[in-house]
Amino acid sequence: DIQMTQSPSSLSASVGDRVTITCRASQSIRSYLNWYQQKPGKAPKLLIYTAFDLQSGVPSRFSGSGSGTEFTLTINNLQPEDFATYYCQQSFSNPRTFGQGTKVEIK
Amino acid sequence: EVQLLESGGGLVQPGGSQRLSCVASGFAFDGYAMTWVRQSPGKGLEWISAISAGGLSAYYADSVRGRFTISRDNSKNTLYLQMNSLRTDDTAVYYCAREPHFWGQGTLVAVSS
Repeated sequence: DIQMTQSPSSLSASVGDRVTITCRASQSIRSYLNWYQQKPGKAPKLLIYTAFDLQSGVPSRFSGSGSGTEFTLTINNLQPEDFATYYCQQSFSNPRTFGQGTKVEIK
Repeated sequence: EVQLLESGGGLVQPGGSQRLSCVASGFAFDGYAMTWVRQSPGKGLEWISAISAGGLSAYYADSVRGRFTISRDNSKNTLYLQMNSLRTDDTAVYYCAREPHFWGQGTLVAVSS
C-alpha cells in the first residue's frame, strides 16, 4: 500500500497569512493526488484534484502543486472560513490512502 | 444535483453485523465506481472499500478485508456495505463517495456492548 505522510500535523496561523501543507507519497503517484478540507461534523470537501486542478466553486486562494512523491497545498490570504483540517489522498492505486491530516488553527 | 444518502448506521454489539446503504441520485450511477470511507471519532479519514461501476471488481483495506463486503444494485442506484464480525475499533462515521468529487453526509456506526 502507498503511505501518505502530511506535514505539519497542525499549525497556527492568522487571517491573511499564507499557509503551506506538504504531502509525501511512499512511491510515485504521478499527479494522482487530491486535497480535501473538512470541518467538524461535516463530510470532506474536495478542494484540488490531480495535484493542481481547482474544484469548481473553490476560491482561487487555494492552489496545489507537485508530482511524483512530493505535493503541496497552499492557501494564500487565509480567511476565517479556512480554519479546518486538510487531508491529502492518493488516487493512483487501491487502497486510496489518505494522509493523517493537518489541522489549521487560529493564532 | 448529485446526492448520496447513507443509512443503516446505529449501535451494534461486538461480533455483530450491520448493513449500510447509500442511495445515489443526480448522475448515471452505473457509470461510476463507488467508495466507502470511514472516520473514527477524533481521527482521520480511512479509505476502506471500493467497487467498480459494473460491480465486478471490489477492493478492500487490510483492516476490513474478510469482514466487510461491498456491493451495488445499479437498478436501484444503491451502494451497500455489509459489515460482519464488527469490533469496537470499527466505530466510525461511514461515508459513501463518488470519489473524489461527491460525498454523502455520513452515517454513524457505534460498536459497543
